[in-house]
Amino acid sequence: EAQVTQNPRYLITVTGKKLTVTCSQNMNHEYMSWYRQDPGLGLRQIYYSMNVEVTDKGDVPEGYKVSRKEKRNFPLILESPSPNQTSLYFCASGTRTSGRSHEQYFGPGTRLTVT
Amino acid sequence: DAKTTQPPSMDCAEGRAANLPCNHSTISGNEYVYWYRQIHSQGPQYIIHGLKNNETNEMASLIITEDRKSSTLILPHATLRDTAVYYCIVRVLWGSQGNLIFGKGTKLSVKP
Repeated sequence: EAQVTQNPRYLITVTGKKLTVTCSQNMNHEYMSWYRQDPGLGLRQIYYSMNVEVTDKGDVPEGYKVSRKEKRNFPLILESPSPNQTSLYFCASGTRTSGRSHEQYFGPGTRLTVT
Repeated sequence: DAKTTQPPSMDCAEGRAANLPCNHSTISGNEYVYWYRQIHSQGPQYIIHGLKNNETNEMASLIITEDRKSSTLILPHATLRDTAVYYCIVRVLWGSQGNLIFGKGTKLSVKP
């Protein structure tokens, strides 16, 4: 089954404790992206990757890092989380090179609480 | 990307057609109309897209006016599971960031 998976789905952590949220897709998509969703602000893009080893900042990149060493994985790293990073996070993937290039596929979400 | 306007909420009776409107009066010639939905904090789900012509797939139909300034998403026989926030997004196929700009959407409530 074609899917985007994220882990963990729920995480409560404390300020300053480094954490990684993993994202993996099994569709051989070259494009991957991270969003955060906050009440009243909608979904905002954090980082994106057009292909392996190619990453760039989205609209709200401060406080986050990403890496893209393999095509299927795109982890989101919070090196020193703060309470304002409490949010619902979504990973997405897509392709620009096939007949389904109009669709982006989203993961189930990771709800992060930073205390 | 062009700005879209959608009603904040709509109700629909189960089994009836749900017609969700979207205004995008500043759409450019190379911009597509996309519809996604989000069911209660789950990941957004692609529904359908179109450029000029009306489109239909297994989930829905998309009607785009001739001047392309507005469109309507039609769920032909709404079920309780269609209760969700529906987002109309106008964008070129793959812009510089590839991102989808989600507005506030329309909260559709399907009632028994």
